[in-house]
Amino acid sequence: DQQVKQNSPSLSVQEGRISILNCDYTNSMFDYFLWYKKYPAEGPTFLISISSIKDKNEDGRFTVFLNKSAKHLSLHIVPSQPGDSAVYFCAASLYSGAGSYQLTFGKGTKLSVIP
Amino acid sequence: DAGVIQSPRHEVTEMGQEVTLRCKPISGHDYLFWYRQTMMRGLELLIYFNNNVPIDDSGMPEDRFSAKMPNASFSTLKIQPSEPRDSAVYFCASSWSGRAYEQYFGPGTRLTVT
Repeated sequence: DQQVKQNSPSLSVQEGRISILNCDYTNSMFDYFLWYKKYPAEGPTFLISISSIKDKNEDGRFTVFLNKSAKHLSLHIVPSQPGDSAVYFCAASLYSGAGSYQLTFGKGTKLSVIP
Repeated sequence: DAGVIQSPRHEVTEMGQEVTLRCKPISGHDYLFWYRQTMMRGLELLIYFNNNVPIDDSGMPEDRFSAKMPNASFSTLKIQPSEPRDSAVYFCASSWSGRAYEQYFGPGTRLTVT
C-alpha cells in the first residue's frame, strides 16, 4: 500500500522550459513534504520542503505547491537546466514520537532536460 | 563541511558471509537513519536512532540484520549471514532535532551478494 505515489516514472523537458513533477499521497496526517534529487551513484540530496499548513514554498528556480484537499503536491523547476537531469523523489514526513519524523518516499521520477 | 560519510562504497561478498556497513553522520545531528533501496521496493527505512538509542527497528527485514550506534559519530549495519536477496544500495541519513524531517543522505553502499 503506497502512501506516496509518483505516477510518472519519467519526464523529458526542453532546456529553458518549465518542469512539473507530481506526487500524490493518501495519509492526511503527513505534516511535511519534501523533494529530493538523486544523481546516479550518489545519495538523495534534499531540495525543498513544505509544511502541511502552507500551500506554496519557493527557493530560487524551485517551487513546491501543496493541495491538501486533493492530497497532491508538485515541484516546478523554472527554467529547467541540463544539470537538473536526475531522479526526483517526493517524500512525506510523519511525526512518529520521540521527536522524530519518518519519511515515506515515492518511487521517483526521472527528469531529462534536453539542451 | 563534511556530509554523511559511508563506507565502503561498494561491497561484493559471497552468500553466508558477514557484511558490515559503516556510517558517520553530520556533526551535531542527533538522528541517524538506515535505508535500503531496491528497484522493486524503492527506498525503505530499516531503523533509526535518536541520541545513539535505537527508536524504531520495525523496518529491519530479519534477525540477520542488526544495527548499532556506539557513539554520536559512528553507526554500523551488519548482515549475518548475507543472502543474495540482500543485494541493494544501503543509505545512511542524519538529521537535527530542530528540523528532524530534513534528512541528509550519504552516498550509499552498493552491496552485491553472490
